[in-house]
Amino acid sequence: EAQVTQNPRYLITVTGKKLTVTCSQNMNHEYMSWYRQDPGLGLRQIYYSMNVEVTDKGDVPEGYKVSRKEKRNFPLILESPSPNQTSLYFCASSLSGTGDASYEQYFGPGTRLTVT
Amino acid sequence: ILNVEQSPQSLHVQEGDSTNFTCSFPSSNFYALHWYRWETAKSPEALFVMTLNGDEKKKGRISATLNTKEGYSYLYIKGSQPEDSATYLCAFGTGANNLFFGTGTRLTVIP
Repeated sequence: EAQVTQNPRYLITVTGKKLTVTCSQNMNHEYMSWYRQDPGLGLRQIYYSMNVEVTDKGDVPEGYKVSRKEKRNFPLILESPSPNQTSLYFCASSLSGTGDASYEQYFGPGTRLTVT
Repeated sequence: ILNVEQSPQSLHVQEGDSTNFTCSFPSSNFYALHWYRWETAKSPEALFVMTLNGDEKKKGRISATLNTKEGYSYLYIKGSQPEDSATYLCAFGTGANNLFFGTGTRLTVIP
């Protein structure tokens, strides 16, 4: 089954404790992206990657890191989480890595993160 | 960050009613307009991607239109059913493969 998976689905952590949210897709997509969803705001892009070893900042990258060592995986790293990073996080992938926004994005199930 | 606005924010309709909602976006640097359906506790799923002014897309009872010159898109649902209850997101795409999402229209269909 074609899908985007994320782990963990739920996480409660404390300020400053490094964490990684994994994202994996099995559709051989070139483009992958991370979004956060906060009440009253639209999905906001954190980082995106157009291909292996190619990553770039989205609209709200502060406090996050990503890596793209393999095509299928795009982990999101919070080196020192803070309460303002409490949010619902979505990973997404799409076919095109060439800057073409006309391809639909496939979303993972979401990770609800709480930082106390 | 580009401004993408959706209206109304929420909507309650009776089963069988037809309804529509609006997505407004910048009319410059247009590349694509996406519609996603997001059910509670699930992930957003793509409904349509439109790229040309005047595009109309249809999937079952749901259809969408696009006006890039004036910067709006309409999503229509004909004969709403309870299973149509969801949040409908639109996203404006620039050529840089970034999508800018609106806050969504939450639709509740009352049986």
